[in-house]
Amino acid sequence: GAVVSQHPSRVICKSGTSVKIECRSLDFQATTMFWYRQFPKQSLMLMATSNEGSKATYEQGVEKDKFLINHASLTLSTLTVTSAHPEDSSFYICSAQGGWTGELFFGEGSRLTVL
Amino acid sequence: QQQVKQSPQSLIVQKGGISIINCAYENTAFDYFPWYQQFPGKGPALLIAIRPDVSEKKEGRFTISFNKSAKQFSLHIMDSQPGDSATYFCAASIDSGGYQKVTFGTGTKLQVIP
Repeated sequence: GAVVSQHPSRVICKSGTSVKIECRSLDFQATTMFWYRQFPKQSLMLMATSNEGSKATYEQGVEKDKFLINHASLTLSTLTVTSAHPEDSSFYICSAQGGWTGELFFGEGSRLTVL
Repeated sequence: QQQVKQSPQSLIVQKGGISIINCAYENTAFDYFPWYQQFPGKGPALLIAIRPDVSEKKEGRFTISFNKSAKQFSLHIMDSQPGDSATYFCAASIDSGGYQKVTFGTGTKLQVIP
């Protein structure tokens, strides 16, 4: 089946630094990718919808200047957490819609820890 | 606003038993209802899905029952196995201009004990 690769799987950074997370669709082109945030033992919260070649659409309450999303190609979307703080520590997951079924494929997630 | 409500929050089932997870939705515009399975530290994976014009869908040990009038749907896992221990999320999606926008339930942590 289709695969979505997410990198890095784990990242630890100091407060105030920026962190970039990559999401790649490996065997299909994804016009639309999605970024989620998941807190421990909680559901996935949609942060933004990333469209290739255009600006991302952010959900209410998500700071677009804090969470920069770039969808430069049909196979790559990146999420940059700028000036990270401990409260940004979370599990970030991307997904891409692809294939003839339009099924949503998820990446393995990226665990961000901000010290 | 929680558009998809899921219960129970956690579930313990004996090996070989039936696991049942229930979900209810509010928005009648939802047109696709997938279930996802998530293991710790991993992203969710699609388990089974149904569209509202069908009342039941079965794939192996997994069955979705769908009640459109009640706006409810459920996942049944027959002959539950320890390997089924995971968190399960129901979801509902709607076509938003060429892509499916998915709303997730709150999740059910299933533990199957030997």
